[in-house]
Amino acid sequence: DAEITQSPRHKITETGRQVTLACHQTWNHNNMFWYRQDLGHGLRLIHYSYGVQDTNKGEVSDGYSVSRSNTEDLPLTLESAASSQTSVYFCASSSGLRRTDTQYFGPGTRLTVL
Amino acid sequence: GNSVTQMEGPVTLSEEAFLTINCTYTATGYPSLFWYVQYPGEGLQLLLKATKADDKGSNKGFEATYRKETTSFHLEKGSVQVSDSAVYFCALSDRGGGGADGLTFGKGTHLIIQP
Repeated sequence: DAEITQSPRHKITETGRQVTLACHQTWNHNNMFWYRQDLGHGLRLIHYSYGVQDTNKGEVSDGYSVSRSNTEDLPLTLESAASSQTSVYFCASSSGLRRTDTQYFGPGTRLTVL
Repeated sequence: GNSVTQMEGPVTLSEEAFLTINCTYTATGYPSLFWYVQYPGEGLQLLLKATKADDKGSNKGFEATYRKETTSFHLEKGSVQVSDSAVYFCALSDRGGGGADGLTFGKGTHLIIQP
């Protein structure tokens, strides 16, 4: 069955370190998204991609970057981790660009920045 | 910009009680509306969706009707079970209608069902 996976599932790092969170989907979806989930905020969009070599900034993109070198993967990099980036991170994908299209979510990565 | 407002809870009910979780939205275009559910320790799963006014989405005994006149998409279930305990998110997609790409989420409602 097609799926979307994230790794690691839990990560503890220190302030100032570079961290990369992996997202891999086997749906063959063109569109991929990264969100962060914080208590009292719901989920907020960080970055997204509509295909290979395409990346776009979302609502809360400062301090994060993504790159899309193939259809299956969209890694999220924290260039210099900050305590404010402690959160749960979700990757999602969708097949189409219409407002009616469903996004499918991965299991999440819990990141703690000390 | 777009926004989604929902009761945050926690909402605590007894098994077999009737459930309503309110959701209202603001959108610049004509959005699609979604309810996602997050069980403990898991990612988000689509529960149901509706893409135009007066559409009713339904799944696993849950229902929600897209009410354009009241900009609402309230989630209901006639008889809840302990296994329904989870966090429920209302969300909208307004791509192409002047809204941001990606989904706009409410803050989530934590539902606790007691036996």
